[in-house]
Parts: sequence; structure tokens; C-alpha cells
Amino acid sequence: AQKVTQAQTEISVVEKEDVTLDCVYETRDTTYYLFWYKQPPSGELVFLIRRNSFDEQNEISGRYSWNFQKSTSSFNFTITASQVVDSAVYFCALNRPGRRALTFGSGTRLQVQP
Amino acid sequence: DVKVTQSSRYLVKRTGEKVFLECVQDMDHENMFWYRQDPGLGLRLIYFSYDVKMKEKGDIPEGYSVSREKKERFSLILESASTNQTSMYLCASSQRQGTDTQYFGPGTRLTVL
Repeated sequence: AQKVTQAQTEISVVEKEDVTLDCVYETRDTTYYLFWYKQPPSGELVFLIRRNSFDEQNEISGRYSWNFQKSTSSFNFTITASQVVDSAVYFCALNRPGRRALTFGSGTRLQVQP
Repeated sequence: DVKVTQSSRYLVKRTGEKVFLECVQDMDHENMFWYRQDPGLGLRLIYFSYDVKMKEKGDIPEGYSVSREKKERFSLILESASTNQTSMYLCASSQRQGTDTQYFGPGTRLTVL
């Protein structure tokens, strides 16, 4: 069985602060894929990143970075110098070959105050 | 850019009505999905389709059915809407492999009175 846990229900920061969103996953598979999505108030889920289990390199994309650690089954997401436009619900998700549907965490609501 | 569109952003229906939610994707994707999103529960899969006329149940299929007559279009049907089906419904599509990225539509917020 697969499971994704996002223990932080809601985080509030002030603009320009750095913030890390935690994601812990459970799977018995050796090959799997991890995803992060952003859901702004408009409702649409926006794809941010896809990472496979054999690639443990950290990824940076502008102010966004992801830390993948197989040893702790975590795939954490950091926003550097947060902005008001980063306010959204962020979802971590997991999938494996042979299963078509994503397993989502319950999401973390990030509020960035000006 | 991948584009997934849904027929309505907001919908209000009465208990017992038959409800159709439509989803269209323009990327020739094999897979299409319907998820339901509720506070604190994340997204849960209702049904998915991996080809025209092919479908499989997801985690919460009860009370729903689907139709995929054309590759680009995937419909979710509530045969007799109930108040516990008030929710946000999200459609997604992906290429052939199950682990390919899923791209989502804007969602339909359905209220059943």
C-alpha cells in the first residue's frame, strides 16, 4: 500500500521568509515517482515537479527547491524568499509503475502575508 | 502547453438530479481521471480511463459512473445526486504510462441541495 503524509496542515509566513513543506511517503516498491502540485485559490492543480526514486539529486528551480531523501522517505519542498503569490495549497503525491492513479497527501495550506 | 478543460466551474443541483461533468484534453493523452477533493482528505480517485470505452474504478466509485466515447473527452455522471456528493471535482489526463505526469483541469465545484 502507498501512503503520503503531509503533517503540516497550515503554515503562515511573512513575505521574504523561507518556508519548507514536508512530505513523507510510504511504499514497498523500489521504483516509484514523487510529485508536487500547487493549488492556488483559483482551484486548478499546477504541476511543479516529478522525481523518480533513482534520482536523489536535489532540484532547484528559481526560488523553489526540493530535497529527496530515500533514507527518511521524505521529499520536502522549500520556497526561498516567499512571495504573496506563493499562497496556495501544496500537494505531494506518489505513484508507481503499474498503478495509474496518484496517491495524494492531504495538502499543506501556505499563507504568505505581505 | 497541455490544456485540460472542464465544462463548468460552479454547478448547483438538487438532490435526485442526474448530473454530467465533462472534461476535455487537447494533448492526445491515453489516460484520463476523475478525482474528488474534500477538505482534510486530499484528492481521491473516483474513476479513470486508459483508452476509449475503457474504464476502471478508483477508490470511491460508488454513486458515480463515467463515459469515454472519444479519446479527448471523459464524462463523470452522478445518476442521482445526493448532498454528500457536494465537493470539488477535478479532471486530469496523462500519457500512456501510469507514472507520467498528470495534468489537471480547473475543477468543478458542485453543490447538491
